[in-house]
Amino acid sequence: EPEVTQTPSHQVTQMGQEVILRCVPISNHLYFYWYRQILGQKVEFLVSFYNNEISEKSEIFDDQFSVERPDGSNFTLKIRSTKLEDSAMYFCASQPLAVSTDTQYFGPGTRLTVL
Amino acid sequence: DQQVKQNSPSLSVQEGRISILNCDYTNSMFDYFLWYKKYPAEGPTFLISISSIKDKNEDGRFTVFLNKSAKHLSLHIVPSQPGDSAVYFCAARSDSWGKLQFGAGTQVVVTP
Repeated sequence: EPEVTQTPSHQVTQMGQEVILRCVPISNHLYFYWYRQILGQKVEFLVSFYNNEISEKSEIFDDQFSVERPDGSNFTLKIRSTKLEDSAMYFCASQPLAVSTDTQYFGPGTRLTVL
Repeated sequence: DQQVKQNSPSLSVQEGRISILNCDYTNSMFDYFLWYKKYPAEGPTFLISISSIKDKNEDGRFTVFLNKSAKHLSLHIVPSQPGDSAVYFCAARSDSWGKLQFGAGTQVVVTP
């Protein structure tokens, strides 16, 4: 069964450094998402992406964040200058279509630790 | 942002018995509801969903009930199995392609 994959599984970085989290969505899916879960908190939406542009973004998704689909298969989340509070599990998700019964399928996540 | 609430952080149930997980929401624009299961160090795994035009959806051991007037949904797992031990998240959305709003999750422990 096709699944969403994410790399790396764990990323440790110093505060102020740039990180790129990578995702390979399910191949025939058209909608892509990033969520994150800070330890002990809810899973929260960051951004959605369709047709090579951002559809919606949350308040968390400020100028330090960007997303890209560079080659038609990968979907990346970049944090330009990481902060301690960016430490979290980051989940990528994809959805086939915008049909009312379509579901978002999640990857295994990348644990980002900012020191 | 408390649009989706799961008020029980944990639930312990004996193997073979029914697990009932509850979820409340406040946004009347939500039209699609999903339950995800999550093991430690893994991503949420889709379990079952329900559209707002229905009041029940069943898939094997899992049944989701929706009470729109009460803005309440529940997930029933019967019979519960040890492999069901995980965190269960309720999620909701208001557009077909829209963001999911998650509840805080309920940790289910199924004991032999």
